[in-house]
Amino acid sequence: AQSVAQPEDQVNVAEGNPLTVKCTYSVSGNPYLFWYVQYPNRGLQFLLKYITGDNLVKGSYGFEAEFNKSQTSFHLKKPSALVSDSALYFCAVTTGGGSYIPTFGRGTSLIVHP
Amino acid sequence: DSGVTQTPKHLITATGQRVTLRCSPRSGDLSVYWYQQSLDQGLQFLIQYYNGEERAKGNILERFSAQQFPDLHSELNLSSLELGDSALYFCASSLQAGPYEQYFGPGTRLTVT
Repeated sequence: AQSVAQPEDQVNVAEGNPLTVKCTYSVSGNPYLFWYVQYPNRGLQFLLKYITGDNLVKGSYGFEAEFNKSQTSFHLKKPSALVSDSALYFCAVTTGGGSYIPTFGRGTSLIVHP
Repeated sequence: DSGVTQTPKHLITATGQRVTLRCSPRSGDLSVYWYQQSLDQGLQFLIQYYNGEERAKGNILERFSAQQFPDLHSELNLSSLELGDSALYFCASSLQAGPYEQYFGPGTRLTVT
């Protein structure tokens, strides 16, 4: 079985400050990890993914994520937050040997204050 | 714009009724997924089709069914609707059936009264 935990329902950060949205996962086998963002009344939008290779993955809109195998984490980061980054962020995990259906976390609401 | 289209955007219907949600995947994508999003359950995978064939099933009720047509568009049929079926229904597509990123449509908001 595979699972994802996003321990924070909400993250508040001031504009210009660095942000981190946390994600931990549990899988049997090698993980494939994804981050998606959802703006109000919109579908999820792909940000970045880790399949293999470098542990630091760069994605859209200046976001990056660090894969840490020993801590089974895949935290999303951005050096300088923008008010427009305010949205709902989802971490997802899947693994091979089957249909590759991702399991999504419950989501973390990011609020960037001006 | 993800390239995935869904119709209708909003649907209001009564308990016991049947509705059909439609999805057109991104051009070139062979795999289509359906999800249900609600406040209490989060994002739940319902079913996946790949190149016209059912590939995987998730938490899909027996009252729900889906299919993917030769032109790769997909339909999700919800019948004997209950109040608890009120939710956002998303379609997503990906290039292949593997560890590929998914592209989500704008969703259909279903309200059952």
